[in-house]
Amino acid sequence: EPEVTQTPSHQVTQMGQEVILRCVPISNHLYFYWYRQILGQKVEFLVSFYNNEISEKSEIFDDQFSVERPDGSNFTLKIRSTKLEDSAMYFCASSEALGGGGGYTFGSGTRLTVV
Amino acid sequence: LAKTTQPISMDSYEGQEVNITCSHNNIATNDYITWYQQFPSQGPRFIIQGYKTKVTNEVASLFIPADRKSSTLSLPRVSLSDTAVYYCLVGDRRSQGNLIFGKGTKLSVKP
Repeated sequence: EPEVTQTPSHQVTQMGQEVILRCVPISNHLYFYWYRQILGQKVEFLVSFYNNEISEKSEIFDDQFSVERPDGSNFTLKIRSTKLEDSAMYFCASSEALGGGGGYTFGSGTRLTVV
Repeated sequence: LAKTTQPISMDSYEGQEVNITCSHNNIATNDYITWYQQFPSQGPRFIIQGYKTKVTNEVASLFIPADRKSSTLSLPRVSLSDTAVYYCLVGDRRSQGNLIFGKGTKLSVKP
């Protein structure tokens, strides 16, 4: 079964540092997403990406966040200057169809700890 | 997007059938109903999606009455490994990707 791969699985960073979270979506999927989940809380939408541009973003996705598809396989989330409240699990997802008809495939996540 | 309401938690025993009901009174004509499963420290996993009546796959069944104001996820003969949080989501498949997750139903399966 095809998988969405995320690296690293766990990242510890100091407050104010930049981090890049990496994802390899499923190869024939066209739509890519980032979600996050603070410990014990709901899964929250950050951003969706299609045709090399952001389709939709949430209020959480402010100027500190950016996404990029640098090549044909990787999809990255960059946090420019991390804050303590950025500590969370970050999930990448991809889908074949718009709106995830047939469901989204999520990765196993990157646990980001900001100290 | 339609708001959903589901029980916070449910308990079951191995081998039993589990039915988790979700209410979505304000569901719109173009909305689909999708269920996800999430284990601790893992990403949500798509289980099933439907629009009306009944949908069945190798994992679960989804029952949707004619008024579509609720839906029931049915898990046949659960095992310990089905212990997880189950989320009911309702939304237009044409939306750009903003899945709204609620708190879900924490299912605990006991031996």
